[in-house]
Amino acid sequence: GQNIDQPTEMTATEGAIVQINCTYQTSGFNGLFWYQQHAGEAPTFLSYNVLDGLEEKGRFSSFLSRSKGYSYLLLKELQMKDSASYLCAVSESNYQLIWGAGTKLIIKP
Amino acid sequence: GAVVSQHPSWVICKSGTSVKIECRSLDFQATTMFWYRQFPKQSLMLMATSNEGSKATYEQGVEKDKFLINHASLTLSTLTVTSAHPEDSSFYICSARGTSDYEQYFGPGTRLTVT
Repeated sequence: GQNIDQPTEMTATEGAIVQINCTYQTSGFNGLFWYQQHAGEAPTFLSYNVLDGLEEKGRFSSFLSRSKGYSYLLLKELQMKDSASYLCAVSESNYQLIWGAGTKLIIKP
Repeated sequence: GAVVSQHPSWVICKSGTSVKIECRSLDFQATTMFWYRQFPKQSLMLMATSNEGSKATYEQGVEKDKFLINHASLTLSTLTVTSAHPEDSSFYICSARGTSDYEQYFGPGTRLTVT
């Protein structure tokens, strides 16, 4: 079956680092996406991993291990505007995205 | 580049009426468009996938006669909610993918309220 798991909610402090984990079980794999979604808005693209390893993009990094069915999103130097939901999604071979339920990240001063 | 627009951004309609939502890819040709629904504090739920010129593929549990999808051109897809009921009130989001893209580009969403 298809399953994507990520924590429901996390809390972190402004200026700190936070890691949001995502584990998946899908019938096919054509890449893993991370999206950011602020309340009442559509998701915005953060990262895409199709090969194992770490992809760094500014304050955000994303890691993938295909053998373990595991990914994480790492956010550094947290800012208040990073308070949002972070969605993990896996693209199966037909390019449909299988979505996790999202992790609500709360940033405290 | 890769901009997707949706219209309207919000709509209020009476129970029993129909509402049409448009999704346009402004600067690329979208061979595939996806329609999602999102209830408060829940994740995105894929409703259907549509390819230009062919019938949409609906997810299990989504009534194709109630949610009519038309992908008539490479830049436009429409979702019509027919005979809307209050339980159809939700945030409807479309996304589009180009021929050689792996990424889905999301529209800004349409908030539908049925009274």
